[in-house]
Amino acid sequence: DTVLTQSPALAVSPGERVSISCRASEGVNSYMHWYQQKPGQQPKLLIYKASNLASGVPARFSGSGSGTDFTLTIDPVEADDTATYFCQQSWNDPRTFGGGTKLELK
Amino acid sequence: EVQLVESGGGLVQPGRSLKLSCAASGFTFSNYYMAWVRQAPKKGLEWVATISTSGSRTYYPDSVKGRFTISRDNAKSSLYLQMNSLKSEDTATYYCASSNEQLYPNWFAYWGQGTLVTVSS
Repeated sequence: DTVLTQSPALAVSPGERVSISCRASEGVNSYMHWYQQKPGQQPKLLIYKASNLASGVPARFSGSGSGTDFTLTIDPVEADDTATYFCQQSWNDPRTFGGGTKLELK
Repeated sequence: EVQLVESGGGLVQPGRSLKLSCAASGFTFSNYYMAWVRQAPKKGLEWVATISTSGSRTYYPDSVKGRFTISRDNAKSSLYLQMNSLKSEDTATYYCASSNEQLYPNWFAYWGQGTLVTVSS
């Protein structure tokens, strides 16, 4: 299976820019997607196919990368962005998710 | 508005069975593949099963293959997950999910609120 590795946690101040990384154990082309999950809620799609903004998602969120290295960027970070962010690949079967990066605001 | 509402979770003993349901509304259910994704407590997400629009094709990861069965009733806009031979490691919140593309899901645009399954004696 394709393993997706994410940093466990990040802490940033409101108004700053943050980059959340996801590294795949093998190439996934551009088939990397990002989700936001707030405590007690279901995941929400933010970015699909590496860099496409999902419907209704603020333009503060952006995605980049291809192959094995991908980044979700939030600029500027707002207090409401406190959440866990997951990456997910769909180039290789089975579909797999990263372990998540918990974003905390200082 | 797309809505996915899961039900059927609860406490079940190891080795027993449980069937989850998902009621869909707000879109043409029969046009979309559907899936189940689970999340163990304080853990990450794991894809569990996918079913084609007609129900003729199903897909599972090795961790549940042979124990779980996904099915659907397009007339009722409902998705199901029959879980047999449950293990403690199946304890998780189970989400019903779908893509916004009419093909095998690459990403999951829509999620239900989840239903908690606890496997314990």
